[in-house]
Amino acid sequence: DQQVKQNSPSLSVQEGRISILNCDYTNSMFDYFLWYKKYPAEGPTFLISISSIKDKNEDGRFTVFLNKSAKHLSLHIVPSQPGDSAVYFCAASGTSYDKVIFGPGTSLSVIP
Amino acid sequence: GAGVSQSPRYKVAKRGQDVALRCDPISGHVSLFWYQQALGQGPEFLTYFQNEAQLDKSGLPSDRFFAERPEGSVSTLKIQRTQQEDSAVYLCASSLQAGAHTGELFFGEGSRLTVL
Repeated sequence: DQQVKQNSPSLSVQEGRISILNCDYTNSMFDYFLWYKKYPAEGPTFLISISSIKDKNEDGRFTVFLNKSAKHLSLHIVPSQPGDSAVYFCAASGTSYDKVIFGPGTSLSVIP
Repeated sequence: GAGVSQSPRYKVAKRGQDVALRCDPISGHVSLFWYQQALGQGPEFLTYFQNEAQLDKSGLPSDRFFAERPEGSVSTLKIQRTQQEDSAVYLCASSLQAGAHTGELFFGEGSRLTVL
């Protein structure tokens, strides 16, 4: 049973517009959430994170929103750039965990 | 380089062969993780080391999979009697902290295993 879900396998966005990637989780013990970005033939790289004590974290063009009651988080990229085209993985962990659990990923294409 | 290094990058094995995949983590990183990523899927946890101690091996799919990190640095993932369903990218990640509760892992480029 998947504990971290990303229900959109792919997303296409015009350059300059906002990209919104969604993620849902089932385990209420998770208290730390992350987004990783992956280019083909490379390993995932850390992008941005949020602790469960916050509902928003912003880093430049990237903002992550957390809705704990809905067990939902989202990544906003604005403005989107062609270089943002990659697979984005939502991930979760917690103080009682010794592992990071990843979702299946969303492939983002930013069209010039 | 200063990143996580994995070798070989690509490995083709005949069904039934044994394979060994190597991970050289970032120097000084306490935690080391192995993940398996099947095509079109997210990374699935296999095992976790804190220094030389293997603290969690709950994700290893069968007793054909074995991992070690004898000196607390380089790690090897061994797969015995490979099967076609073992075909995947095997990702190694390391972290400065013990455990994964902050989640900021540094990944290698992966070893792509194809079993014929």
